[in-house]
Amino acid sequence: KAGVTQTPRYLIKTRGQQVTLSCSPISGHRSVSWYQQTPGQGLQFLFEYFSETQRNKGNFPGRFSGRQFSNSRSEMNVSTLELGDSALYLCASSLQTGALGELFFGEGSRLTVL
Amino acid sequence: DQQVKQNSPSLSVQEGRISILNCDYTNSMFDYFLWYKKYPAEGPTFLISISSIKDKNEDGRFTVFLNKSAKHLSLHIVPSQPGDSAVYFCAASASNVNDMRFGAGTRLTVKP
Repeated sequence: KAGVTQTPRYLIKTRGQQVTLSCSPISGHRSVSWYQQTPGQGLQFLFEYFSETQRNKGNFPGRFSGRQFSNSRSEMNVSTLELGDSALYLCASSLQTGALGELFFGEGSRLTVL
Repeated sequence: DQQVKQNSPSLSVQEGRISILNCDYTNSMFDYFLWYKKYPAEGPTFLISISSIKDKNEDGRFTVFLNKSAKHLSLHIVPSQPGDSAVYFCAASASNVNDMRFGAGTRLTVKP
């Protein structure tokens, strides 16, 4: 069974640009969550999608957005990039939404903003 | 707001000894807790979990203890092995909500 796949794995952007990251969950998983990992901050929750609907949203500005497609694949978009957006962006999928859903993480997309 | 805190950024133990990783949380609505392990260049992987109806859950060398009154949980690894060297994240969530909150992580180094 294929794991969670994130693309691209690495990318470099400049301030003011926008970026779109993609996540393909494990087959059959309908919940996709996005996290930002920065040194010293751990994993910060961005948002969760379930059945194409955003279920929960973390404390990030509106420049961060996402969506989920009918095949459960998800994208997240960051507009007007800032230097502080440099981070590892992790996508996680789970069978169900809710507290008992273990998260299965992808390897992440490492974004560098210059 | 950091609802889940891991106050020790790093921990170093000798092979064969016990590793104890600690985690504190502030949100009393959290009722499900998990530990994830992360190697460099890989995504975190699930290690062990505990629900608030229990105070201990054991899986092989890994045991998680939950003290609800103190809003504290800990992960015990015994005996520790060099392959356990990784960053360990504590996570917590409330029922029916999938926005797990993670701590900043503790880097465990197990020395041979």
